[in-house]
Amino acid sequence: GQQLNQSPQSMFIQEGEDVSMNCTSSSIFNTWLWYKQDPGEGPVLLIALYKAGELTSNGRLTAQFGITRKDSFLNISASIPSDVGIYFCAGRNNQGGKLIFGQGTELSVKP
Amino acid sequence: SQTIHQWPATLVQPVGSPLSLECTVEGTSNPNLYWYRQAAGRGLQLLFYSVGIGQISSEVPQNLSASRPQDRQFILSSKKLLLSDSGFYLCAWSSSHPAGTQYFGPGTRLTVL
Repeated sequence: GQQLNQSPQSMFIQEGEDVSMNCTSSSIFNTWLWYKQDPGEGPVLLIALYKAGELTSNGRLTAQFGITRKDSFLNISASIPSDVGIYFCAGRNNQGGKLIFGQGTELSVKP
Repeated sequence: SQTIHQWPATLVQPVGSPLSLECTVEGTSNPNLYWYRQAAGRGLQLLFYSVGIGQISSEVPQNLSASRPQDRQFILSSKKLLLSDSGFYLCAWSSSHPAGTQYFGPGTRLTVL
């Protein structure tokens, strides 16, 4: 079945640093989504990407839909303590609308 | 605007007891609905999804079942809980035509002792 490889699994950074994480797929997707999950809460949608090559920003967050349609990355600039959490990528092809999730990147930010 | 609710927020149940978790969506009609489980290892596992009342698709064989008695209500149930059923259960909705971005509820933390 389809799999998503998300890396890195965890990151420990200093406040103010930039962050980059990515996901790669074994097959083509037509949608890429990035979510953030705070402890004990449900994931919250950050950015949705629908076209190959699309680059979308949401405040300090920027995500891109890879040209090959098999990868996506998320960048966070000038990290702050409230960026702490688990970030998930998710992709979908045309089959049934189900999402395939990455295993998450746990971000820790040291003030 | 659309909102999604889950009840209860936390639950501690003994092994062998029944389970009923509820998810309701407001502000939309005929949504696709999903149940996920998230174990301590973080990954999100799709358990069930529904494209309409009474229509349930199961993704993995397990001790759980799902029902959709109303358009915007999704129920996750078990007749007898196992220790391995512990986890964080998330409900999500998306638009149906075409299947859109999924939006998650706040989750239910289930501990089976």
